[in-house]
Amino acid sequence: NAGVTQTPKFQVLKTGQSMTLQCAQDMNHNSMYWYRQDPGMGLRLIYYSASEGTTDKGEVPNGYNVSRLNKREFSLRLESAAPSQTSVYFCASRGRDERENSYEQYFGPGTRLTVT
Amino acid sequence: AQTVTQSQPEMSVQEAETVTLSCTYDTSENNYYLFWYKQPPSRQMILVIRQEAYKQQNATENRFSVNFQKAAKSFSLKISDSQLGDTAMYFCAFVRGAQKLVFGQGTRLTINP
Repeated sequence: NAGVTQTPKFQVLKTGQSMTLQCAQDMNHNSMYWYRQDPGMGLRLIYYSASEGTTDKGEVPNGYNVSRLNKREFSLRLESAAPSQTSVYFCASRGRDERENSYEQYFGPGTRLTVT
Repeated sequence: AQTVTQSQPEMSVQEAETVTLSCTYDTSENNYYLFWYKQPPSRQMILVIRQEAYKQQNATENRFSVNFQKAAKSFSLKISDSQLGDTAMYFCAFVRGAQKLVFGQGTRLTINP
C-alpha cells in the first residue's frame, strides 16, 4: 500500500514549455486533489475531482488542466509554463476510512517545480 | 463558505515544554471533521490528529491533544513534552462530509534545544 505517489519529484522547465505531473493512489479513494504551495504559504487548491469522470476548478486554476484518467490517477498539466508557476505541487486523495469512521485526506510527497 | 483561521504565524518554545497552537473556524454546519496536519522541512504533509464534531471527547494521539470547543468554533492543538522533531509548519483544516478540505494559513513552530 504505497498511498499517494507523485512523479516527478523535481522538475525544471523553461518558460513556455509544457509538462504533466502524475499522481496515483491505491486506497480506492473517490476524491483527488491538486494543490500548490508557495514559499511561506499554505496550500491553495488548483483543481479537484470528486469522483472518476468529474473535475472542478479550485481557487487557482488558471494555467492548468487536469485529467482524471481513472479512479487511481489524476494528472495536472501545464500547457505553457510561466515563472509564476514555480511552486511545490501536492496531490492528495480522500475517501472514507471505515476503520476510523472518518474521511481522511492523504498527501503525496510533492513535486518541486521551477520555471525559469 | 467555511473559513479557517490560524492567528499565530510563528511560535517558538524550548524542548520539553508544552505548546498550544490556535485555530478557529467559521461554519453553520453541525456535523463536520477537523484535522491538524504537520509539514516538516521535508514538505511531506502528515496527519497529526482528527476530531469529529459530533464527539464531545477531545481527541488525543500520544503527546498531541486537542481542545475542541464547538460552541466557540475553536480547535487548538496542544503538544506536550515537545521534541526537536516537532519543528514544522502546522495546518488546521475543516471539512464537512465528502467536500473539500479548507486549510488555515499555517503556524510555523520551532522547538529550540
